[in-house]
Amino acid sequence: QKEVEQNSGPLSVPEGAIASLNCTYSDRGSQSFFWYRQYSGKSPELIMFIYSNGDKEDGRFTAQLNKASQYVSLLIRDSQPSDSATYLCAVKAAGNKLTFGGGTRVLVKP
Amino acid sequence: EAGVAQSPRYKIIEKRQSVAFWCNPISGHATLYWYQQILGQGPKLLIQFQNNGVVDDSQLPKDRFSAERLKGVDSTLKIQPAKLEDSAVYLCASSLAGAGAEAFFGQGTRLTVV
Repeated sequence: QKEVEQNSGPLSVPEGAIASLNCTYSDRGSQSFFWYRQYSGKSPELIMFIYSNGDKEDGRFTAQLNKASQYVSLLIRDSQPSDSATYLCAVKAAGNKLTFGGGTRVLVKP
Repeated sequence: EAGVAQSPRYKIIEKRQSVAFWCNPISGHATLYWYQQILGQGPKLLIQFQNNGVVDDSQLPKDRFSAERLKGVDSTLKIQPAKLEDSAVYLCASSLAGAGAEAFFGQGTRLTVV
């Protein structure tokens, strides 16, 4: 079982729609959870992080965390073509170990 | 604030040759990560330093890969001898200590082994 799992996609959404991305993790001791965006040929850049159960909103992005189910998600509202990228879920465990999932590729069609 | 610096940006070598990558983290960042990212996959953690000590190197192929972080600042990652399957982007990232600390990435080194 992989430590951090994501659906590889591609997730195709029309412009203006909501994109929903999911991530599960195996280490119950995980402390914080990050969503990174990676454009083709570029390095990952942070979108947002969450460490408490519930929702956290930042602009068009909402992260949701459910530690009991070991599940974290990212919603992108009003999706734009510029949101087309690979979204990486990352989980930080004890000792600051940061483990990434395989990424979900998102395609926003005009 | 200067970001994470990596060099070289690109490297092409023949199999069985050796190669080294360099990383200069953001000033004050105690944690330094090296990741390997194969095309179409997520970053795979190779080694994590806290200051100049190794915290995790469980996925580092120690028969061919080595890494060091001198004086708790710059770091080098070496591959000797390289294999075809080592072709990937090698990403260096750094962060402050702490569960909520963001990891900042360098531009990466794209390695092609032929």
